[in-house]
Amino acid sequence: SSELTQDPAVSVALGQTVRITCQGDSLRSYYASWYQQKPGQAPVVVVSGKNIRPSGIPDRFSGSRSGNTASLTITGTQAEDEADYYCNSRDSSGNHLLFGGGTKLTVL
Amino acid sequence: QVQLQQWGAGLLKPSETLSLTCGIYGGSLSGYYWNWIRQPPGKGLEWIGEVDYSGSANYNPSLKSRVTISVDTSKNQLSLKVRSLIAADTAVYFCARGRPTIVSYGNWFDPWGQGALVTVSS
Repeated sequence: SSELTQDPAVSVALGQTVRITCQGDSLRSYYASWYQQKPGQAPVVVVSGKNIRPSGIPDRFSGSRSGNTASLTITGTQAEDEADYYCNSRDSSGNHLLFGGGTKLTVL
Repeated sequence: QVQLQQWGAGLLKPSETLSLTCGIYGGSLSGYYWNWIRQPPGKGLEWIGEVDYSGSANYNPSLKSRVTISVDTSKNQLSLKVRSLIAADTAVYFCARGRPTIVSYGNWFDPWGQGALVTVSS
């Protein structure tokens, strides 16, 4: 399969931990990156490469991978983390790139 | 710190050609892949394609027949052309720096341009 599948919506209570997942066959071979997008803004990478957190991204964001699933975990979720989150990686052939459908995170 | 600045026409008619340019400031084209990504209103992100410093490009198979991505190393710019526009091409278009060309284990986009809304309507 050349798709990355995300849950359309996830909710979390303020201060709690949430995991956003991305499933796809290509993730057995390639790392995923994760992007946060707020309304009217360009996406911002929160996890890149080998689950690396770029400079300036709070340490409550972390990435992991197991089998065909990549996960973005937010520990101690803050109100400002409410946003759309997208995963990205290569397709199974390795020749093309693709995004997951996105997950809308609501902070309660 | 690398910054990307985009410009180009915002309102086009069906069958016309979209043309966008992305200027790279504070860094070089060399050593990275450079990408175009789009987002239809209210929908998710779609990768359009990437190009390296030499001009070697790689496209989303669903768009390949209508898209050209190129670089101008003398101006440190990235360009996108999409031909034979249809209404479904209406989207915010982003340029973004991709992974270093030596990386084989995945991909990431950082930084991104500010985005440009392109509307296709008669």
